[in-house]
Amino acid sequence: SQQGEEDPQALSIQEGENATMNCSYKTSINNLQWYRQNSGRGLVHLILIRSNEREKHSGRLRVTLDTSKKSSSLLITASRAADTASYFCATDAKSGYSTLTFGKGTMLLVSP
Amino acid sequence: DTAVSQTPKYLVTQMGNDKSIKCEQNLGHDTMYWYKQDSKKFLKIMFSYNNKELIINETVPNRFSPKSPDKAHLNLHINSLELGDSAVYFCASSQGGGVNSYNEQFFGPGTRLTVL
Repeated sequence: SQQGEEDPQALSIQEGENATMNCSYKTSINNLQWYRQNSGRGLVHLILIRSNEREKHSGRLRVTLDTSKKSSSLLITASRAADTASYFCATDAKSGYSTLTFGKGTMLLVSP
Repeated sequence: DTAVSQTPKYLVTQMGNDKSIKCEQNLGHDTMYWYKQDSKKFLKIMFSYNNKELIINETVPNRFSPKSPDKAHLNLHINSLELGDSAVYFCASSQGGGVNSYNEQFFGPGTRLTVL
């Protein structure tokens, strides 16, 4: 069954603005990951946050995780036109073999 | 060098045909996956192989048969293609994939399958 749900489904901003995407999930997780997919391409891993971590940074990316609310957010600061893509959160279940369950994604459009 | 490669990139075929998609990774990873992405961009795991052994088999029709001749390859064969099989199929690999491991996955560029 579908695990992650991203919100919003689509987001349109201007270059230089910040973009925030949210992800909610249903079951206990081992870790949560964010991926980017450019149009017509495969997914690219952005960042992984473990269940015992609350915040993580990587360059212009900031990810938070609230396991009590079963939610995560991805913040992209000072966005660029090249950030235009779909962004997916993926949850890795707490037990069993590691497997990712993806949400439906947020489509981000950054206009120059 | 391409880390995870898939062939073909596009595949257009008639209903009822049998087709294969190939995947190779040169990352030395132990685990490989097949995903299906539908027209609404929803990405769903189909299969996972760890060291050539099937470890995850989601609810997929048995017309789909994965084959892993070695750790670096995971091919997907589809029999009797149906209209609903039209989608983009992604191969991925990861270093881990065992129980309770942390793994980021590396994706191939995808194969867009269109069944007419």
